[in-house]
Amino acid sequence: AQSVTQPDIHITVSEGASLELRCNYSYGATPYLFWYVQSPGQGLQLLLKYFSGDTLVQGIKGFEAEFKRSQSSFNLRKPSVHWSDAAEYFCAVGAWAGTASKLTFGTGTRLQVTL
Amino acid sequence: DAGVTQSPTHLIKTRGQQVTLRCSPKSGHDTVSWYQQALGQGPQFIFQYYEEEERQRGNFPDRFSGHQFPNYSSELNVNALLLGDSALYLCASSLVGGETQYFGPGTRLLVL
Repeated sequence: AQSVTQPDIHITVSEGASLELRCNYSYGATPYLFWYVQSPGQGLQLLLKYFSGDTLVQGIKGFEAEFKRSQSSFNLRKPSVHWSDAAEYFCAVGAWAGTASKLTFGTGTRLQVTL
Repeated sequence: DAGVTQSPTHLIKTRGQQVTLRCSPKSGHDTVSWYQQALGQGPQFIFQYYEEEERQRGNFPDRFSGHQFPNYSSELNVNALLLGDSALYLCASSLVGGETQYFGPGTRLLVL
């Protein structure tokens, strides 16, 4: 069965500083990996996804993530954080059974941005 | 292009009652998935519907059931509500076999 681990429950960074959120996955085949962001009381917004090909993927809002198969990781990065990036970030792995699919999420990392 | 919509936004029920949550998928999508997100947790997969049938199910009891209509919209029904059913219920839509799921804003259910 697939699983996702987000080791950092809470991270605080200063505005303008760089950011890296960690994600490790467990999956028996080539993974489909996602990062979603959730603002308080809101649904999930897709930041970026990895299916195959280039291991460095670009997303919205200046985010990028790098897939490292040898480390089973898919860490999210941003060079310069803005105060509006404060939110909860979820890493997820997709699994398929025929055409049916499901996402397995990590427990999330809450990002706080100080001014 | 309308995204995924859910109704109602908030709901308060008492233990033992039944609840129905509704979801309309993103335009062009034919598959709907439901997730439960307890406070401070990541979303947990409940089930997925395609062609009006449940295609895959997560580790949830039979009290959780669903339905998909010919227009691809979906309902999530929960019977005999427990306090532990209090959560944000998220609906996601996709194309069958598609890799990406798009989420709605969720319905927050409080069971007293």
